Amino acid sequence: DTGVSQDPRHKITKRGQNVTFRCDPISEHNRLYWYRQTLGQGPEFLTYFQNEAQLEKSRLLSDRFSAERPKGSFSTLEIQRTEQGDSAMYLCASSSPGQGANEQFFGPGTRLTVL
Amino acid sequence: GNSVTQMEGPVTLSEEAFLTINCTYTATGYPSLFWYVQYPGEGLQLLLKATKADDKGSNKGFEATYRKETTSFHLEKGSVQVSDSAVYFCALRTYGNNRLAFGKGNQVVVIP
Repeated sequence: DTGVSQDPRHKITKRGQNVTFRCDPISEHNRLYWYRQTLGQGPEFLTYFQNEAQLEKSRLLSDRFSAERPKGSFSTLEIQRTEQGDSAMYLCASSSPGQGANEQFFGPGTRLTVL
Repeated sequence: GNSVTQMEGPVTLSEEAFLTINCTYTATGYPSLFWYVQYPGEGLQLLLKATKADDKGSNKGFEATYRKETTSFHLEKGSVQVSDSAVYFCALRTYGNNRLAFGKGNQVVVIP
């Protein structure tokens, strides 16, 4: 399967701990996106990479959140000093440039529970 | 800013019934419109899209028409199956903007 993959699928942590999620996009895609989805809501945009450059960040991405894409391939999203309000599904998506740029392909998500 | 509004509440209907899910939008630019579907335990999948006014997106028996005059992109299917049970999200993206703006989603439950 060559779709977007995310790891782990589930993460339970205690408040105040740091967590890191990984996303592997579709191999030929140079654009990568992170979204957050809380229960009963649609996904909300967090940040966007084109290759290794982080070009856009939502105001939802507080200073406890950091995302990287060091070699323009996989990406990590780290949350420091987690809070209960961080509990959500974290979705990664990727897309290619050019004609297909509109279509974002989503991974299965990482469900974070902060106790 | 950009926003998407979907009708409130889950939708429960019998197999072979007609399905409509309403979606209206507000956009600062000229958006492309999408319907995504999320099956239980799976990631979001693009169901269909339309990139300009009066375009009709279609896939798997689902259709939606981009109505600029009413700023709407309602999803329809003439005869639903149990396998169509999922959560459906309407979304938009404006030109030059990298983020998708999603509605809250509608859970559809099809009863045999």
